[in-house]
Amino acid sequence: KAGVTQTPRYLIKTRGQQVTLSCSPISGHRSVSWYQQTPGQGLQFLFEYFSETQRNKGNFPGRFSGRQFSNSRSEMNVSTLELGDSALYLCASSFRSTGAGANVLTFGAGSRLTVL
Amino acid sequence: DQQVKQNSPSLSVQEGRISILNCDYTNSMFDYFLWYKKYPAEGPTFLISISSIKDKNEDGRFTVFLNKSAKHLSLHIVPSQPGDSAVYFCAARDSWGKLQFGAGTQVVVTP
Repeated sequence: KAGVTQTPRYLIKTRGQQVTLSCSPISGHRSVSWYQQTPGQGLQFLFEYFSETQRNKGNFPGRFSGRQFSNSRSEMNVSTLELGDSALYLCASSFRSTGAGANVLTFGAGSRLTVL
Repeated sequence: DQQVKQNSPSLSVQEGRISILNCDYTNSMFDYFLWYKKYPAEGPTFLISISSIKDKNEDGRFTVFLNKSAKHLSLHIVPSQPGDSAVYFCAARDSWGKLQFGAGTQVVVTP
């Protein structure tokens, strides 16, 4: 059973640019959550999508957006990149929405974004 | 506002000894708690969880304890092995279903 796949694994952008990250969940999983990991801050929740609908959103500016397709694959986009956006972006999938009872997330290896 | 806190950024323990990782939280509405382990260049992997209605859950060498009155969670690893060297994150689920993570504790198991 393939795990959660994130692409690209590494990328370098400059300030002001935008970036799109992709996540393919485990087959059959309909929920995809995105997290930002920075040193000392742990994992900060960005948003969750379930059946193409955003179910939950964290406290990030509107420059961070996402979407989910009918095959459950998800993308997140960050526009007008800032230096502080440099981080590891993790995607996690689960069968049910995280609000629907006990639920364990399976994470991908992440996309490491560096903003220069 | 960090509602889940892991105040020890690192922990060094000898192989065969007990590792104790601590986690404190502020939101009394958290109903489910989890521990994840993360190796470099990999995503976090689920380790063990506990519901708020319990105070202990055990799985092999790993035991999680929950003290609701103190809003404190701990993970015990007995005995510690070199392969346990990783970053450990505690997480708690809020009333919206979101998982909130701590900043992580780097565990190093020495021979």
